[in-house]
Amino acid sequence: SYVLTQPPSVSEAPGKTARITCGGNNIGSKSVHWYRQKPGQAPVLVIYYDSDRPSGIPERFSGSNSGNTATLTISRVEAGDEADYYCHVWDTNSDHPVVFGGGTKLTVL
Amino acid sequence: EVQLVESGGGLVKPGGSLRLSCAASGFTFSNAWMSWVRQAPGKGLEWVGRIKSKTDGGTTDYGTPVKGRFTISRDDSKNTLYLQMNSLKTEDTAVYYCTTVRGGDYYYYMDVWGKGTTVTVSS
Repeated sequence: SYVLTQPPSVSEAPGKTARITCGGNNIGSKSVHWYRQKPGQAPVLVIYYDSDRPSGIPERFSGSNSGNTATLTISRVEAGDEADYYCHVWDTNSDHPVVFGGGTKLTVL
Repeated sequence: EVQLVESGGGLVKPGGSLRLSCAASGFTFSNAWMSWVRQAPGKGLEWVGRIKSKTDGGTTDYGTPVKGRFTISRDDSKNTLYLQMNSLKTEDTAVYYCTTVRGGDYYYYMDVWGKGTTVTVSS
């Protein structure tokens, strides 16, 4: 089955840039989506189709995808960005079409 | 405003059954593909399954852990999505989220999520 690998945790100071990676075999050939989940809340879509932002998501959130790694970049990190972030691939061409990464806890120092 | 409200969670014994509901509003439910995603306590997200709109065939697809035990259905007249869970196991304990599905050309994603309903399977 297709596996998405995320670091368990990432830490960054306020005002800096946080980068959360999502590794997968030739993931650059797929579309990657990202969700933010704050404690006790439901996930919220923050990036879809590698780099598109839903309405209401700040421009500080951006995404990229190439080779074997997709990256969620959060610029000018704020305390309110502290959350778990999950990458996701849904590829109907695959034997296991829907896969989530294990999640990354972003801590704002 | 798009809104999804899950209900029907609770405590059930292993081997038992439960039916979850998801009431949708703020969009044309009959045109929407929908899915269920779950999250075990302290764990990550796991896809449960998806149902297409009736105009796209209304077919369902499921994740391996629930295939043959869980059934997704929809009542477009009531703007409601259902998840029938049978032969429940302790490992089915989780928060269950209802989501809308967007996308096309092989690639899809979960757009809007409900707040979730908690299912506990324990003797």
